[in-house]
Amino acid sequence: DIQMTQSPSSLSASVGDRVTITCRASQGINNYLAWFQQKPGKAPKSLIYAASTLQSGVPSRFSGSGSGTDFTLTISSLQPEDSATYYCQHYKGFPLTFGGGTRVEIK
Amino acid sequence: EVQLEESGGGLVQPGGSLTLSCAGSGFSFSDHYMDWVRQAPGKGLEWVGRSRNKGNRYTTEYAASVKGRFTISREESKNSVILQMSSLRTDDTAVYYCVRDGYYGGLWLWDYWGQGTPVTVSS
Repeated sequence: DIQMTQSPSSLSASVGDRVTITCRASQGINNYLAWFQQKPGKAPKSLIYAASTLQSGVPSRFSGSGSGTDFTLTISSLQPEDSATYYCQHYKGFPLTFGGGTRVEIK
Repeated sequence: EVQLEESGGGLVQPGGSLTLSCAGSGFSFSDHYMDWVRQAPGKGLEWVGRSRNKGNRYTTEYAASVKGRFTISREESKNSVILQMSSLRTDDTAVYYCVRDGYYGGLWLWDYWGQGTPVTVSS
């Protein structure tokens, strides 16, 4: 199975800050990577697929990059509504696996 | 508007069975792959299994942790995907989400999530 490792596990940042979350795959997954946002008590929401393509309706302050084993999710200017846990997930074959999540808090 | 609504969650004893249902609307249900994902209390996300579309004869895939105990099927008349769970264990306790796969650039990818239904396995 492909293991997905996210870092950091949590972070605290101020409104307007640039925030970067890292996801590493245990083996190469090309660009078969997605990012999800989950707010407390809510279902996850799909943000990005193919490592860098935004789902419809996702604000442009979110961006993704990477290929192979190393990926990043960047929020260019953190907003209060971005407080959530973010998960990466690979889809290069079964089983589909997730990173452990990164909790983003607003200072 | 795409909508997914899970139902059937509840309390069940270890070793028992439970059936979850996810009804889809606002899209051609039989044309889409559908997945189940779960989240144990305070934990991260775990993929449970997949039902491919009608064109792929609704074939399925499962996570190792549920293979042989869980079965995914479709109920076409109700535009629903079903998750039959048996031999339930306490570590199956989770919120279960159904997720629609959209077809993007030649791949099936998750785009819409249901609100989830909680399952508690406890004596």
